[in-house]
Amino acid sequence: GAGVSQSPRYKVAKRGQDVALRCDPISGHVSLFWYQQALGQGPEFLTYFQNEAQLDKSGLPSDRFFAERPEGSVSTLKIQRTQQEDSAVYLCASSLRNSGRKETQYFGPGTRLLVL
Amino acid sequence: AQKITQTQPGMFVQEKEAVTLDCTYDTSDPSYGLFWYKQPSSGEMIFLIYQGSYDQQNATEGRYSLNFQKARKSANLVISASQLGDSAMYFCAMRELNYGQNFVFGPGTRLSVLP
Repeated sequence: GAGVSQSPRYKVAKRGQDVALRCDPISGHVSLFWYQQALGQGPEFLTYFQNEAQLDKSGLPSDRFFAERPEGSVSTLKIQRTQQEDSAVYLCASSLRNSGRKETQYFGPGTRLLVL
Repeated sequence: AQKITQTQPGMFVQEKEAVTLDCTYDTSDPSYGLFWYKQPSSGEMIFLIYQGSYDQQNATEGRYSLNFQKARKSANLVISASQLGDSAMYFCAMRELNYGQNFVFGPGTRLSVLP
């Protein structure tokens, strides 16, 4: 497809359950970002990949959060032992390069996670 | 300290009028990029406009223009000839090229266009 895709679009999990969120970036985009967006707030950075290398994971809120991009394209964000405070929209974005106009990030539609 | 400040939680504008959404930022990095995104109720983040810190001219993209005042560290978005479809949340974001690679977003402004 032409844009960033994410699946599933909606996920309901019971507290303590593990979840996996998938992101397919725009073909050829080197950089991939994950964000968490709470209701009524701006997105907050979680982690960043350049190709398959995870260069920054400073935004991951706990060691229950794990992200990977093993072949430098598709990425998965995994949340273990989900808690109610993990309920949010998880946004994935990709960009062609890391500088200048090419750094513009293009976002997917997000995965809305609700933890009961 | 907040790196991106958007002081207007909500704004109203009459259809066909122009509106300015405020954004101020804080950085000591001389190399940075500023971005505006639109988020309709459907949830997707739509890129609107980009301004680089070394760009000499204000960015324009169709009905969107960015009033970039570097000394004041402000990057206000101007939407001309507002349309009903412009009703959405608008986020200002910054990327510091030397102090990390990620975006920092402001809290957003909810724009409502009135018929």
